[in-house]
This record gives sequence, structure tokens and C-alpha cells, in this order.
Amino acid sequence: EDQVTQSPEALRLQEGESSSLNCSYTVSGLRGLFWYRQDPGKGPEFLFTLYSAGEEKEKERLKATLTKKESFLHITAPKPEDSATYLCAVLPLGAGSYQLTFGKGTKLSVIP
Amino acid sequence: DVKVTQSSRYLVKRTGEKVFLECVQDMDHENMFWYRQDPGLGLRLIYFSYDVKMKEKGDIPEGYSVSREKKERFSLILESASTNQTSMYLCASSLAVNTEAFFGQGTRLTVV
Repeated sequence: EDQVTQSPEALRLQEGESSSLNCSYTVSGLRGLFWYRQDPGKGPEFLFTLYSAGEEKEKERLKATLTKKESFLHITAPKPEDSATYLCAVLPLGAGSYQLTFGKGTKLSVIP
Repeated sequence: DVKVTQSSRYLVKRTGEKVFLECVQDMDHENMFWYRQDPGLGLRLIYFSYDVKMKEKGDIPEGYSVSREKKERFSLILESASTNQTSMYLCASSLAVNTEAFFGQGTRLTVV
């Protein structure tokens, strides 16, 4: 069974204090790994797609990396507006495989 | 930008009512999804459609049905609403199976 575990469940950072969020996954084969940001009461907003180990993507203060067993979302010098829940999802390999498996998310709070 | 629009942000319905949730996307995407999101359970797939009139069950299809008569529109139907269907419902679309999904703003449904 495909599994995605995100840690920590919640993270409080001071403004400017860099850190990383973890997404560990267990799949028979990985077609893609996706990161989303979700603000309270809203739908998830797409951030990154990673397809193979060693791949990295960056956007402003965020950088996503991928290994064969986990992905990290690095947040450099965060600002209060980065506060949100960050979701990780994996798409397994396999004919007809279309179903994303989501982690439960990491709730990030950035304190001014 | 991709836009996925859900017909309602908030709905309150009575037990036993038939409920329709509508979703429209404007990017000619092949795939459309309906998820529900509950605290502690994360996002769970209800139904998926990969083409007009085509549908596949997700993890939790019981009590729900879907309709896709046009490519841009995907409807979720609660045949007889129950209190355990109180949840946040999220519609999403993607161009291809292995590309990112874009989400709507969500519909917060309360069944009383």
C-alpha cells in the first residue's frame, strides 16, 4: 500500500529562521511527487512537481528536493505570509495509475 | 492561469436531500477529480474522470455519484445526504495523469 508521511505535523518558526519540511513515501515505483500549499478554508495551491531522485525545484524562498525515499521542502528566511499547511502527494507508477496519495500535511506558522 | 471553479463556497443541506456540487475548469484538461478533506484524514479521492462520460471510483465512492457530460464540467452528487458527509469538498483537474492537479477553492458542506 502506498504511504506518505509528513513531518513535523506542525512547525513554528521565527521570521527569517530557515528550516525544512519532510515527506517520506513508500510506493512500488514513483511517477511523480507533488508539493502543494493550502491556506485555511481554501483549496491546495500547486507549488512543485519532482519526477526523479536528485531533482530540485525552486520558487522564491522555497526549494524542493527528492531522493528515492523522501522529499524535502526547504524554506529559506521565511516570512509571515509563508504560514500555511504544506501538503505532499505521490503518484505511483503502474498502468492506469492515476490516484494521488496525500500526506496529512505540515502546518507552518511563521512568527513576526 | 488554470482556473477551477466550484459553484458554491458554503452549503447547508438537510439529511436525506439530494445535493449537487458543480465544478468547471477552463483549461481543456482531460482529467477531473473530486476529493473530500477532513481533519486528521487528509485528502481522500471520491471519484475520478479521465474523459467525458468516463469515471473511476476512488477510495470512498459510497454514497456519491458523478456526472461528466461535457469536458469542462464535473459534478458530484450526494444521492441522499447524511451527516457523515459533512466535509470540505475539493474539485481538481489535470492535463495528464502525471502532471500537477489544480484545485478549486473548495465547498464547505454541512449536512444537518
